Amino acid sequence: QVQLVQSGAEVRKPGASVKVSCRASGYTFTKYYIYWVRQAPGQGLEWMGRINPNSGGTTYAPKFLGRVTMTRDTSINTVYMDLSRLTSDDTAVYYCAREYLQDPFFDPWGQGTLVSVSS
Amino acid sequence: EIVLTQSPGTLSLSPGERATLSCRASQSVGSSYFAWYQQKPGQAPRLLIYGASNRATGVPERFSGSGSGRDLTLTISRLEPEDFAVYYCQQYGNSPWTFGQGTKVEIK
Repeated sequence: QVQLVQSGAEVRKPGASVKVSCRASGYTFTKYYIYWVRQAPGQGLEWMGRINPNSGGTTYAPKFLGRVTMTRDTSINTVYMDLSRLTSDDTAVYYCAREYLQDPFFDPWGQGTLVSVSS
Repeated sequence: EIVLTQSPGTLSLSPGERATLSCRASQSVGSSYFAWYQQKPGQAPRLLIYGASNRATGVPERFSGSGSGRDLTLTISRLEPEDFAVYYCQQYGNSPWTFGQGTKVEIK
């Protein structure tokens, strides 16, 4: 079955960077975009950006431009989300999700990765 | 960016009752480019509806969606115990794609 498995929880200090991975299985990796969505504690969902695993092309939400970088490694069916210059406002669960029908709505989702930013 | 406003914030209902959730966009979203998700505590969201009215694979028939343009509705015809959760709408007609703030459906 289609599955996305993310890396484990991370703790960072303000100003640092974090890199979260998302390994895909159960389908042709290069056929579907992968999206990143985050959710701050007790809050709603926020789209961060997407990557085309085939070309490596990316689209980022304006809010994250200059701070986020999404990459992929097709040899291991994995995408990465790197977020820099972290602040406490970046404390959140970060999800990767696959587009469902080659349109920007999402299913399935990874299990989520908690990133905590604290001094 | 398009802002989605969901109402009500919390819906208190009993199992077997009908739930009606609303989502309004700050401007018209092309065609029916809306989706609905369900999220239970400690879990990732799950896609329920796309294209405003199409159920995703495996989603029970008691879930239905309607609407277009600026207004969207999710209806759960008869609430089952497993339906008590938070529901989010999403628009994907205009980038950046955005979500509503969520409606919590809780047991009365």
